[in-house]
Amino acid sequence: GIQVEQSPPDLILQEGANSTLRCNFSDSVNNLQWFHQNPWGQLINLFYIPSGTKQNGRLSATTVATERYSLLYISSSQTTDSGVYFCAVEFGGTASKLTFGTGTRLQVTL
Amino acid sequence: KAGVTQTPRYLIKTRGQQVTLSCSPISGHRSVSWYQQTPGQGLQFLFEYFSETQRNKGNFPGRFSGRQFSNSRSEMNVSTLELGDSALYLCATARGTNEKLFFGSGTQLSVL
Repeated sequence: GIQVEQSPPDLILQEGANSTLRCNFSDSVNNLQWFHQNPWGQLINLFYIPSGTKQNGRLSATTVATERYSLLYISSSQTTDSGVYFCAVEFGGTASKLTFGTGTRLQVTL
Repeated sequence: KAGVTQTPRYLIKTRGQQVTLSCSPISGHRSVSWYQQTPGQGLQFLFEYFSETQRNKGNFPGRFSGRQFSNSRSEMNVSTLELGDSALYLCATARGTNEKLFFGSGTQLSVL
């Protein structure tokens, strides 16, 4: 079946460090989105990125659709970056039916 | 601009009861979808509504249902609650198809 795999599952960083999160998907996608779930459960949309590269402050993302993966870069990490990062993809159809990966749990320490 | 509003924030029910959750989308958003999040299964798609029509449905039993009103507000209903229905229920809205999704804060449902 359709699969979305994220790595690493867990990551601990010191404040100021950089990191790369990876999302692999098993089929061609119509869209791909990255989300951050904070400790209170709120899911924040970071990027809508079916292909190409985007940047937003300390965060950037790249999706290589032909090779079926996406990367999320976090630079100069801060404690507020802690939480779970999800990659979600839509494989087809007309509806907003996203398939989520299992997430990368990030903890940023002082 | 107000975000996606979900009510209530917390709910405690007992097995066999039914529950209705509400979602008010961002102004101008016509697509409303619902997701269930549990520690064991992660985030799973329940269904999506667009212009009062259900466009897609996930692999959940018929006890889970929803509807959308003409003002795009949506409700989901779970009947005959089971212990396994305990979860965070998240609503997400978008302007249309294949667009950026915005999530509400969720309703944490506990079934005792």
